[in-house]
Amino acid sequence: DQQVKQNSPSLSVQEGRISILNCDYTNSMFDYFLWYKKYPAEGPTFLISISSIKDKNEDGRFTVFLNKSAKHLSLHIVPSQPGDSAVYFCAVIPNTGNQFYFGTGTSLTVIP
Amino acid sequence: ETGVTQSPTHLIKTRGQQVTLRCSSQSGHNTVSWYQQALGQGPQFIFQYYREEENGRGNFPPRFSGLQFPNYSSELNVNALELDDSALYLCASSLGGGGTEAFFGQGTRLTVV
Repeated sequence: DQQVKQNSPSLSVQEGRISILNCDYTNSMFDYFLWYKKYPAEGPTFLISISSIKDKNEDGRFTVFLNKSAKHLSLHIVPSQPGDSAVYFCAVIPNTGNQFYFGTGTSLTVIP
Repeated sequence: ETGVTQSPTHLIKTRGQQVTLRCSSQSGHNTVSWYQQALGQGPQFIFQYYREEENGRGNFPPRFSGLQFPNYSSELNVNALELDDSALYLCASSLGGGGTEAFFGQGTRLTVV
């Protein structure tokens, strides 16, 4: 039972353009949302997060949007750079627990 | 500031054997969580240790066990290894037992043959 879904396994974007990565979740009890980035042979690196009381959080080129009614989370990267090429995981935390539920990841390729 | 380190980085074991994976948490962090990442999947929560006590467990059988030491480093033990245990095992450290940003180690790639 996959509670967090990233329906696009891969995404290719031209350098300088916007990358949009999407994540859907099923449980309305989730109240903290994160994005992690993973390079091969490395562990996931925290990128940006948002709590359920907000609908947008911005950090430099990265913006996370939360649509609670649609149970949808997205990460925007503008402008995309070749160094952004990696696998991106969304992760969610329920308000009653401490474990992360991860999506299956989206492999982003930024083409120079 | 010391990051999260895991050892070993790679390991090959035979079905039925036992394995111990180790994790040193980031300086100042008192919580360690373990995740299993199978190929093509997202990490799956195994369990969490907070101040040396188990503080939550995912849907993994009892042959997956753990320990946290007074310095907050941690071990993951897996008994009676099965082929499906082949995966990347990730350790994450954080401050506080609740859900917060966690910092991951590079992982241990376990192959069971």
